[in-house]
Amino acid sequence: AQTVTQSQPEMSVQEAETVTLSCTYDTSENNYYLFWYKQPPSRQMILVIRQEAYKQQNATENRFSVNFQKAAKSFSLKISDSQLGDTAMYFCAFSLGTASKLTFGTGTRLQVTL
Amino acid sequence: EPEVTQTPSHQVTQMGQEVILRCVPISNHLYFYWYRQILGQKVEFLVSFYNNEISEKSEIFDDQFSVERPDGSNFTLKIRSTKLEDSAMYFCASKASGRGNEQFFGPGTRLTVL
Repeated sequence: AQTVTQSQPEMSVQEAETVTLSCTYDTSENNYYLFWYKQPPSRQMILVIRQEAYKQQNATENRFSVNFQKAAKSFSLKISDSQLGDTAMYFCAFSLGTASKLTFGTGTRLQVTL
Repeated sequence: EPEVTQTPSHQVTQMGQEVILRCVPISNHLYFYWYRQILGQKVEFLVSFYNNEISEKSEIFDDQFSVERPDGSNFTLKIRSTKLEDSAMYFCASKASGRGNEQFFGPGTRLTVL
């Protein structure tokens, strides 16, 4: 079974600074998908960014980028120019196939401060 | 922009009662999912549904749970006899066909079992 580990329960960053959230996963498969979801206080799950394992290039979405290290099974999220609206719970998630379930990590609570 | 909707936003029920949680997935999506999140914990997969049948289910999804797509738009989760430990946030998600496995989540239904 696949597992996802987020070792940072809480993190804090000042507005406009950069922060990196860690995620590692375990799988014996070669093809899979990785995601970062944001859950603000409203508790809605919002997709931030995704990465397909067969792509070597790291995904980027505006201020959000990932560092995907396939051999190390690591998938960290970097948030640049942090904004107060980035305050949320961030979940790393793994999926095997194009329609498979998502397996989530335990989340990292990010607080952006003034 | 199309979105997944869920009703009700909050459901309070007595232990042993049946509840039905409703979801309207994005209209051209073909894959449907239910997840739950017990307060303060990670998001857990319950069941996936495709082509009018369950494609995968977790250990949590026992005989007390059932899913249905009664018409072309709704996707429901029924809990036959609720237990205290069923209290959680329940998220519906849907996905279009094709690569990427990007699942779009609804805002969730908070279920409180008394």
